[in-house]
Amino acid sequence: DVQLVESGGGLVQPGGSLRLSCLASGFNFSTYAMHWVRQAPGKGLEYVSAISFSGGGTFYADSVKGRFTISRDNSKNTLYLQMSSLRGEDTAVYYCVKDFQLGFDYWGQGTLVTVSS
Amino acid sequence: QTVVTQEPSLTVSPGGTVTLTCGSSTGAVTSGHYPNWLQQKPGQAPRTLIYRTSNKHSWTPARFSGSLFGGKAALTLSGAQPEDEAEYYCLLYYGGPRVFGGGTKLTVL
Repeated sequence: DVQLVESGGGLVQPGGSLRLSCLASGFNFSTYAMHWVRQAPGKGLEYVSAISFSGGGTFYADSVKGRFTISRDNSKNTLYLQMSSLRGEDTAVYYCVKDFQLGFDYWGQGTLVTVSS
Repeated sequence: QTVVTQEPSLTVSPGGTVTLTCGSSTGAVTSGHYPNWLQQKPGQAPRTLIYRTSNKHSWTPARFSGSLFGGKAALTLSGAQPEDEAEYYCLLYYGGPRVFGGGTKLTVL
């Protein structure tokens, strides 16, 4: 079975940094693009970032460009999101999502990031 | 700033049929936007029901179908069940960026 397990969320002060991880299993991780999607409390879904299967191509939403960095380690079946200069509006549940034919199929359960002093 | 629009809320009777739509501020939605439809119930992660306009995943109930209609992507639920009450999001591809719609809260009542 495909599993995506996020970790690394927590409480961080404004201006701080945090690294999220997503451990993938049950599929050939190195052959799929991966995505991060977030959802602020009580709000809709927001597309955050994407990375190609090799890691050679990345995309960022304007809201996080220059502050977040997506990466992957195919030898460890793990996707990362390095977040810096965090703001209150970055408070959200962050989901790791597997690409499928330019859309999505599997989602992780999410990890909560709270930015507050 | 591309905006993807959905009905904020819809209501359907048990056993009834309802169609949710997904429009784009850039013009007509086409198959080239690879429309996806997602379902999210309270306290749960989203799950993808439809990909590439009309294709179903193995876990997608047969009562859900996707299409293009009138310049929009559409999700039709035929024979609504109480467990279909949820938030539904569409996702469109813009040659790199993906954009979510604001979601439709579907009530089965």
